Amino acid sequence: GAVVSQHPSRVICKSGTSVKIECRSLDFQATTMFWYRQFPKQSLMLMATSNEGSKATYEQGVEKDKFLINHASLTLSTLTVTSAHPEDSSFYICSAAGTDGYTFGSGTRLTVV
Amino acid sequence: GNSVTQMEGPVTLSEEAFLTINCTYTATGYPSLFWYVQYPGEGLQLLLKATKADDKGSNKGFEATYRKETTSFHLEKGSVQVSDSAVYFCALSGKTSYDKVIFGPGTSLSVIP
Repeated sequence: GAVVSQHPSRVICKSGTSVKIECRSLDFQATTMFWYRQFPKQSLMLMATSNEGSKATYEQGVEKDKFLINHASLTLSTLTVTSAHPEDSSFYICSAAGTDGYTFGSGTRLTVV
Repeated sequence: GNSVTQMEGPVTLSEEAFLTINCTYTATGYPSLFWYVQYPGEGLQLLLKATKADDKGSNKGFEATYRKETTSFHLEKGSVQVSDSAVYFCALSGKTSYDKVIFGPGTSLSVIP
């Protein structure tokens, strides 16, 4: 079946630095990818929709200058958390839309110290 | 807008008990409906789905039927196991790959021996 690889699975960074998270569709092409954020014991909140070759569409309340999304190819989308702060600590999950539906990555646990 | 409501947890059951997790939705048109499962510290796995009214999705002993008249997609399993302990998310999306997935709040299930 369809597989989405998300890296890193865990990252700890210092406040003020930037962190890049990669999401790759391994065996299918994904024109559209989605980035979600999940707080402890809560549901997934959509941050943005990433379309290959065009600008991402951000959900209301999500700072596009803080959460930079790049979808440079049909198999790779990246989320960069810029100037990270402790409140950005969270679980980030990507999803890729393919012909068989949506496939989710295994998530990235970001801790900002 | 579209939304998903599901019963709040946590739900605690004894092994071999019957499970029902209620899910109702609000949507325009005819969305696709999903149940996802999330094990501790992991990403999401698709459990089952249904794309049109009266469809029944099933997998690993879990079932859910798309009920248009009651806008529901309740998850059931006849005999739960300890390994079913996880968080279950009901979700919906439109029919195209550009449509985002909207998640319910999640229901935590603990199965005790």
